[in-house]
Order: sequence, then structure tokens, then C-alpha cells
Amino acid sequence: DAGVIQSPRHEVTEMGQEVTLRCKPISGHDYLFWYRQTMMRGLELLIYFNNNVPIDDSGMPEDRFSAKMPNASFSTLKIQPSEPRDSAVYFCASSFGGNGQPQHFGDGTRLSIL
Amino acid sequence: AQKVTQAQTEISVVEKEDVTLDCVYETRDTTYYLFWYKQPPSGELVFLIRRNSFDEQNEISGRYSWNFQKSTSSFNFTITASQVVDSAVYFCALSEAGNNNDMRFGAGTRLTVKP
Repeated sequence: DAGVIQSPRHEVTEMGQEVTLRCKPISGHDYLFWYRQTMMRGLELLIYFNNNVPIDDSGMPEDRFSAKMPNASFSTLKIQPSEPRDSAVYFCASSFGGNGQPQHFGDGTRLSIL
Repeated sequence: AQKVTQAQTEISVVEKEDVTLDCVYETRDTTYYLFWYKQPPSGELVFLIRRNSFDEQNEISGRYSWNFQKSTSSFNFTITASQVVDSAVYFCALSEAGNNNDMRFGAGTRLTVKP
């Protein structure tokens, strides 16, 4: 079975540019999560969706960040405009069922903002 | 608020040694879930195990074993006869039943197994 698929794997862009990260969750999973991993702050939950509906976006750092889930098999995380401090690894994860269910992670997108 | 502490930042062992990774958690909920994830050098996060707060049975899976003790709020992970392929960062995480899906991760322990 296919796992969580993220694209691109690496992204290097200049500050001020728009960045779009993509995620395809595991088929049948009804929860989707976006995380950010940095050396300073570790793994942080940014936002999660249940049945394509955003439930909690309290972890989204600023208005420059937005996330959408137009259907059950696709989600995007957008940063506009990007800044060097946004450089991090961004993970998407999905789970079947909510609390207590293991989240399965994609390989991550390593984002570098110059 | 829930909290996970992995006091060991880095551990280095020689192949075939046993190693225990510590995880201490804080929660006010009586129903909660504990997890371990592995992040190898390639960067992906791999789910290893989940435990709920009502199940204190220890678990063994091959060379891996987990010791859950509510009395000390700990969920430690032991690798027996470590191998070079075990080298990775290991994360412990906690999710409270009453806190939706806010899974809090510890800072991680970087394990290096030398040949």
C-alpha cells in the first residue's frame, strides 16, 4: 500500500516567493496533519483536518501560512511570502480515526528559503 | 498541558550493546496515548508503537521492547543487541484523549550505533 506522499522532496527558493507544498494522504484515512520540524523547536503541529475540514490551525505561525484540503486525497500548505525563517522540514501525516490512532508520516519536504 | 521529556539528547553505543531510551511524560488526563517514532538519517518518520493509558503491559517486538510504567510516568524503549541500522533519532510522543489530536513530541534522542 502506498504511504503518505509529499512533493516536492526539496525546495529552494528566494525570500518573498510563494511556496506550495503538497500531500496525498493514505487512502481511507480521514485525518490529515501538517507538521514543521526545526532544530530549535523540534516537531510542531501546524494544522490538522478531519474529513477535509480544518479543525485546529492554532499552530500556524502567521497569516503567511495557509492550508487547504479540497478533497480526501490532496492537501496543500502554502507560504506567501516566504521568509528565511520558514526554512525547515515540513511533514504531512495521516491517520484513520482520531485521537490515539498512529499517524503515518510522509518523507517530508526540506524547504530552504534564501 | 501535556509534555514529553527525553532527557538523553545523544547516545552512542557499540554494536551488540543493549541501549535504553528514556521517555517521561506529563498529563492530567486519565486517558492518553503514547507513541515511539524512529527518524533514520534519510529523514522520514516511522511509527514504531502505540500504547494507551489503560494498558501497562510491556511489549516486545524482535529486538525492541517497551516498558510502560504509569507510577513513574515513563515509557522507555530498549533495543537489545543494537545494530548499525538502529542509528536514528527516536521520538516519544503523547496524545491526550481530551485534547483532540494535539500529539506532542519529545525533543528526540539521537542514537548512534558504531560497528
